Amino acid sequence: DIVMTQSPDSLAVSLGERATINCKSSQSVLYSSNNKNQLAWYQQKPGQPPKLLIYWGSTRGSGVPDRFSGSGSGTDFTLTISSLQAEDVAVYYCQQSYSSPLTFGGGTKVEIK
Amino acid sequence: EVQLVESGGGLVQPGGSLRLSCAGSGFTFSSFWMNWVRQAPGKGLEWVANIKQDGSEKNYVDSVKGRFTISRDNAKNSLYLQMNSLRAEDTAVYYCAGGGGWFFDLWGRGTLVTVSS
Repeated sequence: DIVMTQSPDSLAVSLGERATINCKSSQSVLYSSNNKNQLAWYQQKPGQPPKLLIYWGSTRGSGVPDRFSGSGSGTDFTLTISSLQAEDVAVYYCQQSYSSPLTFGGGTKVEIK
Repeated sequence: EVQLVESGGGLVQPGGSLRLSCAGSGFTFSSFWMNWVRQAPGKGLEWVANIKQDGSEKNYVDSVKGRFTISRDNAKNSLYLQMNSLRAEDTAVYYCAGGGGWFFDLWGRGTLVTVSS
C-alpha cells in the first residue's frame, strides 16, 4: 500500500499570508504512460463533505480559486494557499489515485493566527 | 443540480448487517467510477471500495474484504454497499463519491453508521 504522509498536522497563518502543506508518498505516484501525477488535494470544512481542490498534482478543480495551487512530482507534493482567507479554515487532505487501495494523508488543519 | 444522496445508515449491533444506498442525479452516473469513503468520528478519511463504470472491476481496502460488497445499478443511477459482520471500528460517516478517474469530483453528504451494542 502507498502511505501518504502530510506535514504539518496543523498550522496557523495570518489572514492574507501564505499557507504551505506538504504531502509525501511512500512510492512514486507519477504515471509514466501519461506523465501525470496521480495526486489530489481536498478541503473539508466542519460538518461538510470534502471538496476536490487539485487533481493530477497541479490542476485546479472546477470553481476553485486561483489562490490554491498544487506542485511537486513523484513522491513530494505541496499545496499552497497564496493569501489565506477566513473561508479557507478547514482540514486539507492529499490522496493518491495511483493504485488500490486508494489512500489519504492524515490531514492538515489550517487555522487563522 | 449535480447530487449524490446517501441513505441506509443507522445503529446496528456488532456482527450485524446494513445496506447503504447512494442515488445520483444531475450527471451521467454510468460514466463515473463510484466509491465509498468513510470517516470515523473526529478522524481522517479512509477509502473503502470502488467500482468501475460498468461494474466489471471492484476494489476494496483490506479491512473490509470478505465483509463488504460494492455494487451499482446504472439504470437506477444508484450505488450500494452491503456491509456484513460489522465491527465497532466500522463506525463512521460513509460518503458516496464519484470521479472520472480514481480521484473524487463528486461527494454526497454522508450517512452515519454506528456499530454498538
